[in-house]
Amino acid sequence: DAGVIQSPRHEVTEMGQEVTLRCKPISGHDYLFWYRQTMMRGLELLIYFNNNVPIDDSGMPEDRFSAKMPNASFSTLKIQPSEPRDSAVYFCASSLISGRGSGNTIYFGEGSWLTVV
Amino acid sequence: GEDVEQSLFLSVREGDSSVINCTYTDSSSTYLYWYKQEPGAGLQLLTYIFSNMDMKQDQRLTVLLNKKDKHLSLRIADTQTGDSAIYFCAENSGYSTLTFGKGTMLLVSP
Repeated sequence: DAGVIQSPRHEVTEMGQEVTLRCKPISGHDYLFWYRQTMMRGLELLIYFNNNVPIDDSGMPEDRFSAKMPNASFSTLKIQPSEPRDSAVYFCASSLISGRGSGNTIYFGEGSWLTVV
Repeated sequence: GEDVEQSLFLSVREGDSSVINCTYTDSSSTYLYWYKQEPGAGLQLLTYIFSNMDMKQDQRLTVLLNKKDKHLSLRIADTQTGDSAIYFCAENSGYSTLTFGKGTMLLVSP
């Protein structure tokens, strides 16, 4: 089975440019998460969706960040305009929650490594 | 609020046992997880333990849970150089989300 697929794997962009990161979750999963990983702050949850609906975006750093999930098999995270402090690894992850007693194992993509210069 | 704490670094020799420790704060967590991140890769689920268990063993991995002290540990027996990675502890503090620690970097020397 294909795992969570992210693109691009690596991106270098100039400050002020728009960045779009893409994610295809595991087929059948009903939750999708966007995380950001930096040395200083570790792994931060930015936003998550349930059945394509954003549930909690309190982790989104500021208005420059936006995320969409137009259908069950695709999501984007957009940064506009990008700044050097946005340089990080952005992970998309998905899970299937069948009930509270079943746990909620989250499966991660390989990440998009973003450098803003 | 929820918080997961881990030591940042552990160095062991090949063949020794490694023990990575974690403390968490949410006593209502029903599952606790260990993830592994190799260089340049995403997080991969290693194992998890249900909160009503004290121990879970899976080949070279042993997870111990002390719910009273909110302490979780991961023991890797016969550590190999391929085990060098960052290990993350996580709790399901929310119904659908996990709270992760900052990760413990394990370095295995030959």
